[in-house]
Amino acid sequence: KAGVTQTPRYLIKTRGQQVTLSCSPISGHRSVSWYQQTPGQGLQFLFEYFSETQRNKGNFPGRFSGRQFSNSRSEMNVSTLELGDSALYLCASRFDGGQHNEQFFGPGTRLTVL
Amino acid sequence: AQSVAQPEDQVNVAEGNPLTVKCTYSVSGNPYLFWYVQYPNRGLQFLLKYITGDNLVKGSYGFEAEFNKSQTSFHLKKPSALVSDSALYFCAVRGPAGNTPLVFGKGTRLSVIA
Repeated sequence: KAGVTQTPRYLIKTRGQQVTLSCSPISGHRSVSWYQQTPGQGLQFLFEYFSETQRNKGNFPGRFSGRQFSNSRSEMNVSTLELGDSALYLCASRFDGGQHNEQFFGPGTRLTVL
Repeated sequence: AQSVAQPEDQVNVAEGNPLTVKCTYSVSGNPYLFWYVQYPNRGLQFLLKYITGDNLVKGSYGFEAEFNKSQTSFHLKKPSALVSDSALYFCAVRGPAGNTPLVFGKGTRLSVIA
């Protein structure tokens, strides 16, 4: 079974631009979560989608948004990029919304904002 | 609110020696606890989880973790470290109810020296 895939793997943008990252979960998984990883802040939760509905949202500004499609694929969008948005963005999927279920992570998208 | 503490930023151990990576947590109710490992330029890989039952949980690559409710700890252990175990290790917790997200610790970098 294929793992979680994320595209693109690397991205370079300039301040003020916007970016869209894509995530394809493991087949059959309905929950997709997004995390931002930086050396200073560690792994911070952005949001979770389940069956096309946002179920949880972390403490990030409104410039960060996401959505999930009927095939469970998810995208996240960051508008008006800032230098501090440079990070590794990780997507994770799990089978359903069960609290005990582990998440499976993709390789991440490395975003660099210049 | 739930939280995880990994008190050591770095752990060094000689190859062949036992290793321990510490984790303490705070959550209302019974926790679901997870350990993940991250190799350079990779996403997180699931190692093991505690849901309920036996306090000693066995996982991938010879790792195990011990759940201690009174000390609110979930330390990761391995009897004999390998150089290839060198990586970044994350402990994570999720509460038992609702749709709360997975919360990660800051991570502990493990270096196994030959």
